[in-house]
Amino acid sequence: SQQGEEDPQALSIQEGENATMNCSYKTSINNLQWYRQNSGRGLVHLILIRSNEREKHSGRLRVTLDTSKKSSSLLITASRAADTASYFCATVKAAGNKLTFGGGTRVLVKP
Amino acid sequence: GAGVSQTPSNKVTEKGKYVELRCDPISGHTALYWYRQSLGQGPEFLIYFQGTGAADDSGLPNDRFFAVRPEGSVSTLKIQRTERGDSAVYLCASSLAGGQGAGELFFGEGSRLTVL
Repeated sequence: SQQGEEDPQALSIQEGENATMNCSYKTSINNLQWYRQNSGRGLVHLILIRSNEREKHSGRLRVTLDTSKKSSSLLITASRAADTASYFCATVKAAGNKLTFGGGTRVLVKP
Repeated sequence: GAGVSQTPSNKVTEKGKYVELRCDPISGHTALYWYRQSLGQGPEFLIYFQGTGAADDSGLPNDRFFAVRPEGSVSTLKIQRTERGDSAVYLCASSLAGGQGAGELFFGEGSRLTVL
């Protein structure tokens, strides 16, 4: 079963625009992570946000976490064609060690 | 190598055959994970090792699937009597984290299994 569910499932934007995707989850978490996957490749870790954090930044990435709503968002600012990929959120439960992934958001950035 | 290495990268087999998929994690990483990913889906958890022991194997779909990590480093995922529904990309990941709260996972490129 999937703990995290991303929304939207697919997103198409022009280069230079911002891309926002959301993740909702069901149970209390220790942390939430975002990963990126280029077609046919392995996943690459982007950012980890702990349950006691509300916002984190890394370069052009901004992640927010609202534990009261059990949701997170990933914002990619000033998108580039190279940002075209699938983006997954993954949660670690409050008393666990395994990451449970959502279904992902497929992002297409058109040049 | 610096990253997680998985072999083979591609495996085509016939229904009913036995398959082994190998994962060589990043040196020093005590945690090792196996996931399965079907086309257009997110990775599905199979099993997690902490050292040599399977700390959580709740994701293994049935008793045809088995994984080992005898020396706490390389891991092998074994699938007996393969079925067409086993076709997927099998992903391995490793992590430094021990104790509660998994940290960043480092993924390999995956082994694509096709069962004809």
